[in-house]
Amino acid sequence: AQSVTQLGSHVSVSEGALVLLRCNYSSSVPPYLFWYVQYPNQGLQLLLKYTTGATLVKGINGFEAEFKKSETSFHLTKPSAHMSDAAEYFCAVSDKNDYKLSFGAGTTVTVRA
Amino acid sequence: EPEVTQTPSHQVTQMGQEVILRCVPISNHLYFYWYRQILGQKVEFLVSFYNNEISEKSEIFDDQFSVERPDGSNFTLKIRSTKLEDSAMYFCASSELAGVGFFGPGTRLTVL
Repeated sequence: AQSVTQLGSHVSVSEGALVLLRCNYSSSVPPYLFWYVQYPNQGLQLLLKYTTGATLVKGINGFEAEFKKSETSFHLTKPSAHMSDAAEYFCAVSDKNDYKLSFGAGTTVTVRA
Repeated sequence: EPEVTQTPSHQVTQMGQEVILRCVPISNHLYFYWYRQILGQKVEFLVSFYNNEISEKSEIFDDQFSVERPDGSNFTLKIRSTKLEDSAMYFCASSELAGVGFFGPGTRLTVL
């Protein structure tokens, strides 16, 4: 069974500052890891995913995440926050034997002008 | 770009009534899912469906819930007798590969 912990339910950053959202997972088998974004009153949009191969994954809207097996982490970063990045971000995990996703509790990002 | 669609976007119903939430998954996908998100809580897995049968379900997915793929394109979630605590956003998802779920925009279910 897999589970996800997102550290920090709310993150506030200034426009232009680094965005760092933390995600740690537990999994008994090699994980597949995902970040989703949810804008207000909208569905879940896939930002990026790690399945195999390169551990640094680039996604949409300038986001990237790095899979660190030794730290069981998959933190999401963006070098320079934009006002449009204000949303809720969910980290999720599955594995090749289990197609369902287990989600973290989410981190709400606010961007200050 | 192909996408998952869901109807209706918002459903209001009285407690005890039956509701059917509809989804059209991406056409070449083989795995279908329902998730729900109660306001302010995390997204929870309900059920997965593959090869015309349920492949896995959570403890939330009790006898009041059922899923069906009636015509090869639609994928429905039925709640037979809704309760107040069923009020949530329900997301349909489909995938071709493990876990790479493409989610629909959701149906907001309000039970009064």
